Amino acid sequence: QKEVEQNSGPLSVPEGAIASLNCTYSDRGSQSFFWYRQYSGKSPELIMSIYSNGDKEDGRFTAQLNKASQYVSLLIRDSQPSDSATYLCAPCEGYGGSQGNLIFGKGTKLSVKP
Amino acid sequence: GAGVSQSPRYKVAKRGQDVALRCDPISGHVSLFWYQQALGQGPEFLTYFQNEAQLDKSGLPSDRFFAERPEGSVSTLKIQRTQQEDSAVYLCASSVEGQGSGYTFGSGTRLTVV
Repeated sequence: QKEVEQNSGPLSVPEGAIASLNCTYSDRGSQSFFWYRQYSGKSPELIMSIYSNGDKEDGRFTAQLNKASQYVSLLIRDSQPSDSATYLCAPCEGYGGSQGNLIFGKGTKLSVKP
Repeated sequence: GAGVSQSPRYKVAKRGQDVALRCDPISGHVSLFWYQQALGQGPEFLTYFQNEAQLDKSGLPSDRFFAERPEGSVSTLKIQRTQQEDSAVYLCASSVEGQGSGYTFGSGTRLTVV
């Protein structure tokens, strides 16, 4: 059984702070990793993908991957109230499409207080 | 189309009724996925199509669930003899083959079985 573990939260941070979201996964065969943001009542929206160990930065978002530790994280700098949402971690055994399905964690609920 | 389109947006079914949920993926997307998301949980994989071929249906919870994509574009998820535990949001996602860019989700169908 492939498992993805995330702290369900809620994680509460003040506006302008760094939010740190963590995820561990059980499948050592995972090759690609995706972070989705889901606003209440909406569908998941892709915000970051990462395939290699290390950091990947995109605007205020940084994804970090450590395959040896089976750990992936998402940092959100200068957090805004509009970042308040549930963040879903989704490893994939391949690179998407026919190469594997996304296995989602339960998500971490982030609340950014003005 | 510009995005993944799902219909109906909401569906209320009486227990024992059959329902059909439709997904119209992004034009040209080869891969199509169905996920089930219960309240407070992450999406759970149901089934996957590559064009018209259903390559993985391991996530379908029972033989009451059936999915098809006869012409490799629009897909229908059918649930026979609905039960209360089928109440959830059903998400459809599509992907360009081999891009490794994650999946684009539709808005989902919220099914409530009463």
